[in-house]
Amino acid sequence: GAGVSQSPRYKVAKRGQDVALRCDPISGHVSLFWYQQALGQGPEFLTYFQNEAQLDKSGLPSDRFFAERPEGSVSTLKIQRTQQEDSAVYLCASSPLGAGGQETQYFGPGTRLLVL
Amino acid sequence: ILNVEQSPQSLHVQEGDSTNFTCSFPSSNFYALHWYRWETAKSPEALFVMTLNGDEKKKGRISATLNTKEGYSYLYIKGSQPEDSATYLCASAGSSNTGKLIFGQGTTLQVKP
Repeated sequence: GAGVSQSPRYKVAKRGQDVALRCDPISGHVSLFWYQQALGQGPEFLTYFQNEAQLDKSGLPSDRFFAERPEGSVSTLKIQRTQQEDSAVYLCASSPLGAGGQETQYFGPGTRLLVL
Repeated sequence: ILNVEQSPQSLHVQEGDSTNFTCSFPSSNFYALHWYRWETAKSPEALFVMTLNGDEKKKGRISATLNTKEGYSYLYIKGSQPEDSATYLCASAGSSNTGKLIFGQGTTLQVKP
């Protein structure tokens, strides 16, 4: 079946521009995660949804970052007034249940964001 | 705050060599340990989810062991092939019911034909 998809795959933004990154999880998956991977680092948690409810947003680095999943399926990560330090790969993952850390997370290919 | 460390950072081996690398994590409040393989331009692929001390899991030529008391996991690749070239990530899941993962920096493996 179809895996997790993300769009766009690559995005170049001018500093100060707003961007929106889309994630289509595996159909029926309850949990959805966003991670940020800076160059040379491992992915870092940003936020977590269980269906449409955003249960954890402790990893969002600033109030310029906003995520939503209004109907419990597709999710959008929005970054306002992008800064150079926002340049990173943004990964989305989904898992079938809201079963916590023992459940496999299925990742998309990521969106590579470059802020000039 | 969990701190997950992986070593070595990178590894170059010849085709046919066997290799292994390490993931260390805080042993207190352990919940689960995940291994992923991430090939360039592809999605990270789940290899294993390990939960019990002494767990050993195998998938083809790749296997992993877990020691939760001392806080480490080993990933082994037997008879490396060029298609094994990838970054291998481990991640610890805290006891939080959200399931968020704390990743190490990864080990990048390059297998030369």
